[in-house]
Amino acid sequence: QSALTQPASVSGSPGQSITISCTGTSGDIGSYNLVSWYQQHPGQAPRLVIYEGNKRPSGVSTRFSGSKSGNTASLTISGLQAEDEAVYYCCSYAGFNTFVYVFGPGTRVTVL
Amino acid sequence: EVQLVESGGGLVQPGGSLRLSCAASGFSFSNSWMSWVRQAPGKGLEWVANIKQDESEKYYVDSVKGRFTISRDNAKSSLYLQMNSLRAEDTAVYYCARVELWSVLFDYWGQGTLVTVSS
Repeated sequence: QSALTQPASVSGSPGQSITISCTGTSGDIGSYNLVSWYQQHPGQAPRLVIYEGNKRPSGVSTRFSGSKSGNTASLTISGLQAEDEAVYYCCSYAGFNTFVYVFGPGTRVTVL
Repeated sequence: EVQLVESGGGLVQPGGSLRLSCAASGFSFSNSWMSWVRQAPGKGLEWVANIKQDESEKYYVDSVKGRFTISRDNAKSSLYLQMNSLRAEDTAVYYCARVELWSVLFDYWGQGTLVTVSS
């Protein structure tokens, strides 16, 4: 099964924008615009923040947005706030014609 | 209100077995694909298994194939994970989640149950 790569950490000051990348291959992210993103605070369950590449679930701030270019999906958080400090995971299909999934290793976002 | 409540975690010796349960409420469980996702201590998320509404399709991560079995009881709105031949590397918090299979999204999550495999 394939693996996704994410930067280990990203940081920014309050009010700034940051972008987290999630790189796969032509067999997973490159084939579908179906990447989802999850926010996880310490000791809590993950929370869906972006799905199908660029859609926000009800209740998620408009400061969260998603995009994709080639084999890389990205999550952008604009107007960074202290509450955004968490670990963020991407998720995608693991390859063609499969309902096997894979998560990225996670990116720790620090608000300076 | 949607609730997913996992139970059944605990300490088990290597080679042992454990059965996890997840009680669902607040949404149409019988019409939903369901999943198990785990997280080793201090590590990232790992998808474990998916199950279709009628149990006719099941999918597993390679590392648990042949050892873990996902199942469900729609009458009880419950999801299960039978874990056999447990290894130290199976130590993790196990989350139950509802999954939209085609969209690759997990929209509802439980709070997780900790499984520790150790002698």
